Amino acid sequence: SAVISQKPSRDICQRGTSLTIQCQVDSQVTMMFWYRQQPGQSLTLIATANQGSEATYESGFVIDKFPISRPNLTFSTLTVSNMSPEDSSIYLCSMEPRGLNTEAFFGQGTRLTVV
Amino acid sequence: GQQVMQIPQYQHVQEGEDFTTYCNSSTTLSNIQWYKQRPGGHPVFLIQLVKSGEVKKQKRLTFQFGEAKKNSSLHITATQTTDVGTYFCAGPGRGSTLGRLYFGRGTQLTVWP
Repeated sequence: SAVISQKPSRDICQRGTSLTIQCQVDSQVTMMFWYRQQPGQSLTLIATANQGSEATYESGFVIDKFPISRPNLTFSTLTVSNMSPEDSSIYLCSMEPRGLNTEAFFGQGTRLTVV
Repeated sequence: GQQVMQIPQYQHVQEGEDFTTYCNSSTTLSNIQWYKQRPGGHPVFLIQLVKSGEVKKQKRLTFQFGEAKKNSSLHITATQTTDVGTYFCAGPGRGSTLGRLYFGRGTQLTVWP
């Protein structure tokens, strides 16, 4: 199985600041994905990060708020900018499956609390 | 937009009782996946269904994919306390990007000993 290392695992941040979350994959992948899971809610896709191009954002998410970097095929970062308490969530990264119709592997998640 | 509806949101059962969660999509799905998330954990893949009418079993878990490939269910027989967690179904997004998933809201299962 694939290994995705995500850090930090949790953080408590002041409103108005920014936090960068990192994900490292143990093998090269073209696509990585970032999700948000608000308290008691499901996972919502934020964006798709393709190496060598700008990330593609889902409706309701914008680059200024959630800038994403994808400098190489094993690494990606998501920044949560100018945070407010409403940004308190779990943020998860995942990678594209290693074949047609196979499972998505997730990082361990970053539990963010904004105070 | 793409939606996967899942019910119920919560289910509380006595250990030994059965449990079922249902998913419905507004569009035909090429496949549907099921994940389990333990409290404080991240989603872990359980299974993927691809074929119309497909039924797969994993020990006490039975997964079904509807004939029209728009609905799916997960049934757990004789629940155990280890089954506690939130079960999510997820369907792929439009287009060919593998791994881009839309999740149902999940069913949080509580099992009383």
